[in-house]
Amino acid sequence: DTGVSQNPRHKITKRGQNVTFRCDPISEHNRLYWYRQTLGQGPEFLTYFQNEAQLEKSRLLSDRFSAERPKGSFSTLEIQRTEQGDSAMYLCASSFAAGGEKLFFGSGTQLSVL
Amino acid sequence: GEDVEQSLFLSVREGDSSVINCTYTDSSSTYLYWYKQEPGAGLQLLTYIFSNMDMKQDQRLTVLLNKKDKHLSLRIADTQTGDSAIYFCAEEDQAGTALIFGKGTTLSVSS
Repeated sequence: DTGVSQNPRHKITKRGQNVTFRCDPISEHNRLYWYRQTLGQGPEFLTYFQNEAQLEKSRLLSDRFSAERPKGSFSTLEIQRTEQGDSAMYLCASSFAAGGEKLFFGSGTQLSVL
Repeated sequence: GEDVEQSLFLSVREGDSSVINCTYTDSSSTYLYWYKQEPGAGLQLLTYIFSNMDMKQDQRLTVLLNKKDKHLSLRIADTQTGDSAIYFCAEEDQAGTALIFGKGTTLSVSS
């Protein structure tokens, strides 16, 4: 068990560019979550998958955001036409849905949009 | 809607006890959670309590739950400088599928 892995750790991009982040959950965890955290705030829920199905999306997830989890393993989060307001830490978490949402978080991808 | 409130800062001296408080809104939350975040890192699950319990003790950590007042607290005994971090309280959303976090309490421990 190597924990939840996220890549890259840091991403700097220019406004208008597209970016993609990857998350590798703990193996055998069937739920995978994306959260966003800005300075001085707690993590805010964006979306979650159970296996390969995307079951819930927050209203925070605009049309420019898309997440996938092909084959129910790793997941990608893409942001198209980035805006400065997208600058944040993007956190991935996974859990095994057997009662109680004991989420295990990765170290996050810090996005800076210039 | 769901909301979790925490005080923003707590400063203690090494060896003292720390008590971090939280209020939440969703009484249907089956579990309530405490997470710890160190600088530049993701969140680490510290402990959690089942909603039917009043108290849970885990080594230096004690969680107290007052379900009537929707109040949760985390007590850290013999606080160490390594306990300096941001502590987040979290409840489950009404669908029971995601966690709602507070803004976090920054704990500063001085030697």
